[in-house]
Amino acid sequence: GDSVTQTEGLVTLTEGLPVMLNCTYQSTYSPFLFWYVQHLNEAPKLLLKSFTDNKRPEHQGFHATLHKSSSSFHLQKSSAQLSDSALYYCALRPNSGGSNAKLTFGKGTKLSVKS
Amino acid sequence: GGIITQTPKFLIGQEGQKLTLKCQQNFNHDTMYWYRQDSGKGLRLIYYSITENDLQKGDLSEGYDASREKKSSFSLTVTSAQKNEMAVFLCASSIQYEQYFGPGTRLTVL
Repeated sequence: GDSVTQTEGLVTLTEGLPVMLNCTYQSTYSPFLFWYVQHLNEAPKLLLKSFTDNKRPEHQGFHATLHKSSSSFHLQKSSAQLSDSALYYCALRPNSGGSNAKLTFGKGTKLSVKS
Repeated sequence: GGIITQTPKFLIGQEGQKLTLKCQQNFNHDTMYWYRQDSGKGLRLIYYSITENDLQKGDLSEGYDASREKKSSFSLTVTSAQKNEMAVFLCASSIQYEQYFGPGTRLTVL
């Protein structure tokens, strides 16, 4: 079945340093990949989604590139801000018929940015 | 725009009790979902529904029932609450690729 593996647990960074949260996946079908962000006491919301290889989505300074060769969709940002502190989920959706309404989520990575 | 409303916001139950959580969306989305969120375990899919009166089991459906009687609403029932259970239940809806989440119901079982 489909699976998503993320950097586990807590990642602590100093403000201004680069962010990289890892996401790798396994899927039978060439999937769509997503990053969701959940700030404290809020609902998760979509941050980024993949399209095709070599097209890099960006939002709020974050970007991620889908690499099918390495089955990865790592989340990056050049300079962390205090407001980036949140829980980040990587998710995939198979690009196939049938049950393609279903997302598979990773376990989440908690990012804590300190001054 | 639209919104997803979940009720109640906090739910306290007793062991063995049957508990129902409700979700309403006004996006007019076809597909709705119920997830359970536990610290360190991510978001696990309990049930989803691709249209009114449709139900599809997720990875964590045992111990739960769901009902989709209208396009705009999706309810989840915990059939027998487990002692010391504590989790957040998130409802979501989607059209095409993006899922929109509600604020969650926090369940505590005494």
